[in-house]
Amino acid sequence: DAGVIQSPRHEVTEMGQEVTLRCKPISGHNSLFWYRQTMMRGLELLIYFNNNVPIDDSGMPEDRFSAKMPNASFSTLKIQPSEPRDSAVYFCASSLRAYKGFNYGYTFGSGTRLTVV
Amino acid sequence: SQQGEEDPQALSIQEGENATMNCSYKTSINNLQWYRQNSGRGLVHLILIRSNEREKHSGRLRVTLDTSKKSSSLLITASRAADTASYFCATDDQDTGRRALTFGSGTRLQVQP
Repeated sequence: DAGVIQSPRHEVTEMGQEVTLRCKPISGHNSLFWYRQTMMRGLELLIYFNNNVPIDDSGMPEDRFSAKMPNASFSTLKIQPSEPRDSAVYFCASSLRAYKGFNYGYTFGSGTRLTVV
Repeated sequence: SQQGEEDPQALSIQEGENATMNCSYKTSINNLQWYRQNSGRGLVHLILIRSNEREKHSGRLRVTLDTSKKSSSLLITASRAADTASYFCATDDQDTGRRALTFGSGTRLQVQP
């Protein structure tokens, strides 16, 4: 398996533009997570899905952020409009679904480094 | 908010020495995990320890968990230059039932050859 695949690896965009980040999880994994990493705030959970259904989006900063998972092999994170404070590395991760208090290890993608100027 | 806080924030050792990193967390947990992140890369899962376990080994890694103190430690024995990376602990939250992991702030480990 090629692992979790994210695209693009780097994105530079102007303030106000729409940005779409993409993720392909590992086949067979039924949980998918979007995290954001910055020096100031570390790794923050934005949203996660179980079986393509959003479970917890309380980490999504504001209405400018949206995420979808139309099928088991694809997810997007969209920022519209983008702002300089959105600059960060965005990671997608997938795992088998946690059950009865047991989590599985996450497999992370290589991340998308977003710079909003 | 940060669930786990790693200590120290940075650690520099010589190759061959042991490296110990500590993690403290705030809530009741089902399990705790450790991850490694090389510069510019994604996180890599190292080891998972359940709340009813006190110690776990994997190769040169040894993890301990003390749920009464809400703390864990990661020991890397006989360190190598390739172990240079940031190390994060991550926990779920049994109190709220949140299954997604919350990550600590990480320890930056530098192993000098």
